[in-house]
Amino acid sequence: EAGVAQSPRYKIIEKRQSVAFWCNPISGHATLYWYQQILGQGPKLLIQFQNNGVVDDSQLPKDRFSAERLKGVDSTLKIQPAKLEDSAVYLCASSIGGLAASSYEQYFGPGTRLTVT
Amino acid sequence: AQSVTQPDIHITVSEGASLELRCNYSYGATPYLFWYVQSPGQGLQLLLKYFSGDTLVQGIKGFEAEFKRSQSSFNLRKPSVHWSDAAEYFCAVRNQGGKLIFGQGTELSVKP
Repeated sequence: EAGVAQSPRYKIIEKRQSVAFWCNPISGHATLYWYQQILGQGPKLLIQFQNNGVVDDSQLPKDRFSAERLKGVDSTLKIQPAKLEDSAVYLCASSIGGLAASSYEQYFGPGTRLTVT
Repeated sequence: AQSVTQPDIHITVSEGASLELRCNYSYGATPYLFWYVQSPGQGLQLLLKYFSGDTLVQGIKGFEAEFKRSQSSFNLRKPSVHWSDAAEYFCAVRNQGGKLIFGQGTELSVKP
């Protein structure tokens, strides 16, 4: 079974530029998550989708970050304009979704390392 | 509010020695707990999980963890560490909405 795919793996941009990240979850997984992992910290949830609807975006800086999952499969996360403090690894994860305990397991992609200069 | 604390930022052990990584959580209801490992440049890989039942759970790569409700702890253990275990380890608790709340991580170094 293919895992969670993310691209690009690395991105360097200047502050005030825009950037977009792409994620393709495991086939059949209804729930998709975007996390931000700043160096030396644990991942922090930015946004959670259930199919193509947003479940939780309480920690997404909506003035500059946006995310979509239009067809309930792959997703994009955009930052516009980027700030220096956005330098981090952006992780995408997916889970089956639903109420069963097995749905609680999240599978992570390799991440995109963003450097803002 | 839910939270996870990993008291040790960095631990160094000798290859072949035993390992215990500490994790304390704050959560009002029965917690769903996880340990993930992250190698440099990689995503997170699930080592083991606790949902209910037996408080000693076995995971991949020879790891185990014990859930102690009275201590609000979920410590990760391995009896004999291998050089390939050097990585960052994250403890996490799942809240009712499905959100994972991570600790700050413990970096493990292994001495030859």
